[in-house]
Amino acid sequence: GAVVSQHPSRVICKSGTSVKIECRSLDFQATTMFWYRQFPKKSLMLMATSNEGSKATYEQGVEKDKFLINHASLTLSTLTVTSAHPEDSSFYICSASSSGQYEQYFGPGTRLTVT
Amino acid sequence: AQKITQTQPGMFVQEKEAVTLDCTYDTSDPSYGLFWYKQPSSGEMIFLIYQGSYDQQNATEGRYSLNFQKARKSANLVISASQLGDSAMYFCAMREGGGGSYIPTFGRGTSLIVHP
Repeated sequence: GAVVSQHPSRVICKSGTSVKIECRSLDFQATTMFWYRQFPKKSLMLMATSNEGSKATYEQGVEKDKFLINHASLTLSTLTVTSAHPEDSSFYICSASSSGQYEQYFGPGTRLTVT
Repeated sequence: AQKITQTQPGMFVQEKEAVTLDCTYDTSDPSYGLFWYKQPSSGEMIFLIYQGSYDQQNATEGRYSLNFQKARKSANLVISASQLGDSAMYFCAMREGGGGSYIPTFGRGTSLIVHP
């Protein structure tokens, strides 16, 4: 299957700082990337959908100014958590999909801890 | 309303036995895809099996099979010959094709524990 990488896998940052998470599709062109947040023992919560070259579509309740998403190329999308606070600590997972395809391929996830 | 319903928060099975994880879905779109993912404690989402709404036969992938009952809108996952390594969270998901949105929806998951 297709490979999606995510970096970093784990990050600890101080409150008030910003953190950037990268999601890369390694062997296919990802026209659409999804960003999820997952709390312990809970399901994936879709945060936003990003299509290459256009602005991300955020789900209701997700602050677009806090969670900046950029999908500048067909292989890279980034999620920047701005002015992070302890309540932003979570597991963030990206997935990538090609145009017209139902399948989505997940990255390994990033565990963010804000102290 | 929940689009994907997984009614079993936790399931236990004896090693080498088969287990069925339930999933029902709700959509009015004739085109959709159904997925099952496994998430071990490491957190990665591992794709297991896919069923398209127009597929005539139930999908199978090794020890995994999907019992697709379209009229009942159910897509249960059957794991045969359970192994200790199958212990994990299992998520049922759907992507609908309406308007080309393909927005994915996940169920709440089922925690499976395989006993030796």
